[in-house]
Amino acid sequence: AQSVAQPEDQVNVAEGNPLTVKCTYSVSGNPYLFWYVQYPNRGLQFLLKYITGDNLVKGSYGFEAEFNKSQTSFHLKKPSALVSDSALYFCAVPYSGNTPLVFGKGTRLSVIA
Amino acid sequence: EPEVTQTPSHQVTQMGQEVILRCVPISNHLYFYWYRQILGQKVEFLVSFYNNEISEKSEIFDDQFSVERPDGSNFTLKIRSTKLEDSAMYFCASSEETGAYGYTFGSGTRLTVV
Repeated sequence: AQSVAQPEDQVNVAEGNPLTVKCTYSVSGNPYLFWYVQYPNRGLQFLLKYITGDNLVKGSYGFEAEFNKSQTSFHLKKPSALVSDSALYFCAVPYSGNTPLVFGKGTRLSVIA
Repeated sequence: EPEVTQTPSHQVTQMGQEVILRCVPISNHLYFYWYRQILGQKVEFLVSFYNNEISEKSEIFDDQFSVERPDGSNFTLKIRSTKLEDSAMYFCASSEETGAYGYTFGSGTRLTVV
């Protein structure tokens, strides 16, 4: 079975500073990798995905993620954090083949003004 | 933008009672899913549904759970005899094709079993 790991339960960053939320993966073959965000009392919203191609993937709200095959990582990044980015972030990968998605445990991002 | 709609937003039920959680997936989507999230923590896969049958299910999805697509629009999750540990947020999701294209999630139903 394929899986992802998010090593940090909580990430704190000052507004305006760059942010990184970490994700590592364990998959066979070429991975499909996803990032989702969950704002308080809301469902999960799709941020971005890596299927193939350019290792730097750009997504919604100014977020991007870098696929690194040698380090089996897919870290989420943003050059300048906003207070409104404070949320729960989930990395995801298909369990096997194409479906279903399985999620990491989530990382809570707090951006402090 | 198309949405996945879930009703009710919050359901309180007594232990041992049956509950049905309802979802209206995006109309042209073919794959449907239920996930649950306990106390804002890990999002756990329950079941996937395609072509009017279950395609995959997790070990959480035991005989107490069932899913149905009773008509062309609704997708339901039934819990026959609720337990305290079933208290969670339940999310429905749909996708146009298989997982490589990502899912659209509903806002969830908060189930509280008392």
